[in-house]
Amino acid sequence: DGGITQSPKYLFRKEGQNVTLSCEQNLNHDAMYWYRQDPGQGLRLIYYSQIVNDFQKGDIAEGYSVSREKKESFPLTVTSAQKNPTAFYLCASSPGLAGAYEQYFGPGTRLTVT
Amino acid sequence: LAKTTQPISMDSYEGQEVNITCSHNNIATNDYITWYQQFPSQGPRFIIQGYKTKVTNEVASLFIPADRKSSTLSLPRVSLSDTAVYYCLVGDEDTGRRALTFGSGTRLQVQP
Repeated sequence: DGGITQSPKYLFRKEGQNVTLSCEQNLNHDAMYWYRQDPGQGLRLIYYSQIVNDFQKGDIAEGYSVSREKKESFPLTVTSAQKNPTAFYLCASSPGLAGAYEQYFGPGTRLTVT
Repeated sequence: LAKTTQPISMDSYEGQEVNITCSHNNIATNDYITWYQQFPSQGPRFIIQGYKTKVTNEVASLFIPADRKSSTLSLPRVSLSDTAVYYCLVGDEDTGRRALTFGSGTRLQVQP
């Protein structure tokens, strides 16, 4: 079964702790993305990667970090510098950079920081 | 950056046709228009994509006028399960990040 997996589905952390969200795809896609969604809002782009070992900041990259060491994996670290980390985080991938290509989304990770 | 404008919300009844229009006045020559559907607590799902004129698949139709400054997603005979948020995006591979702006979308509520 091809697709994108995100784990865990729910994640709870204490304020001041870094936390890493997992995203794996077996679709052989070059591009991967991380979005954040707050209640009642649209998706906002955090980081994206067009190719292994390369990634670009999105619209709200502050307080987040990513790595792309393998084609199939694009983990997102929410650092203690992120002031409002509680949100729904979505990972996506596409064959090439989105626009001409559809994005395939994972099920999301709901992060709660208290 | 290219910006899209959609109605914030729409209401419909089961069995009706629903048309959601997206305005994209600054669309570039090579830009595609892509629509996604999102249910609560799920990732968006691709519905349809087009460049010009009309595109139809098993789920929806996409109408794009000659000037391409707007597009209309048409959902035939909606059911309760079509209640969701619908997003319009424009861009191409070269503009990359511009095609990744989802905006707030249109919240469609289908009633019995």
